[in-house]
Amino acid sequence: DAEITQSPRHKITETGRQVTLACHQTWNHNNMFWYRQDLGHGLRLIHYSYGVQDTNKGEVSDGYSVSRSNTEDLPLTLESAASSQTSVYFCASSDGPLGGYTFGSGTRLTVV
Amino acid sequence: AQSVTQLDSHVSVSEGTPVLLRCNYSSSYSPSLFWYVQHPNKGLQLLLKYTSAATLVKGINGFEAEFKKSETSFHLTKPSAHMSDAAEYFCVVSDHNNDMRFGAGTRLTVKP
Repeated sequence: DAEITQSPRHKITETGRQVTLACHQTWNHNNMFWYRQDLGHGLRLIHYSYGVQDTNKGEVSDGYSVSRSNTEDLPLTLESAASSQTSVYFCASSDGPLGGYTFGSGTRLTVV
Repeated sequence: AQSVTQLDSHVSVSEGTPVLLRCNYSSSYSPSLFWYVQHPNKGLQLLLKYTSAATLVKGINGFEAEFKKSETSFHLTKPSAHMSDAAEYFCVVSDHNNDMRFGAGTRLTVKP
């Protein structure tokens, strides 16, 4: 069965370190997205991609970057982790605006 | 740009009574609308979606929602709440650019 997986499920890192969160989907979806979820804010879009070599900034992109070298993967990198980036991160994919998103199970990141 | 307002941050019902979770949207285009559910420590699951077909949309687990353009609303209902319905619910609007915006969420509590 097709799926979307995130790794790791939990991560603790120190302030200033570079961290990469993985997202891998086997739906063959062109569109992939990264969100962060914080209490009182719902889900906020960090970065998204509509295909290989395409990346775009979302509403909370500062301090984050993504790259899309193939259809299946969209890794999210925190260049220099900050305590404000402690959050739960969700990756999602879709095949277009009418299909809705398929979400991964999330990565809980703690920056100490 | 489109946006979503979930009118209640928390709704509490008794088991067996009706559920109403309210959502208003704003969009410059004919939107697609979605409801997602998130159980504790889980990812988001698509409940139902409206994509300009029938205005009354039926989803999984007995939920349904009605698209009312005149009221810019897409409220989620269920005739009889079950304990397993306790979760966070997100209303989402998507325009033709595949840009999805999430509401802040409504936490549903079901009392025995």
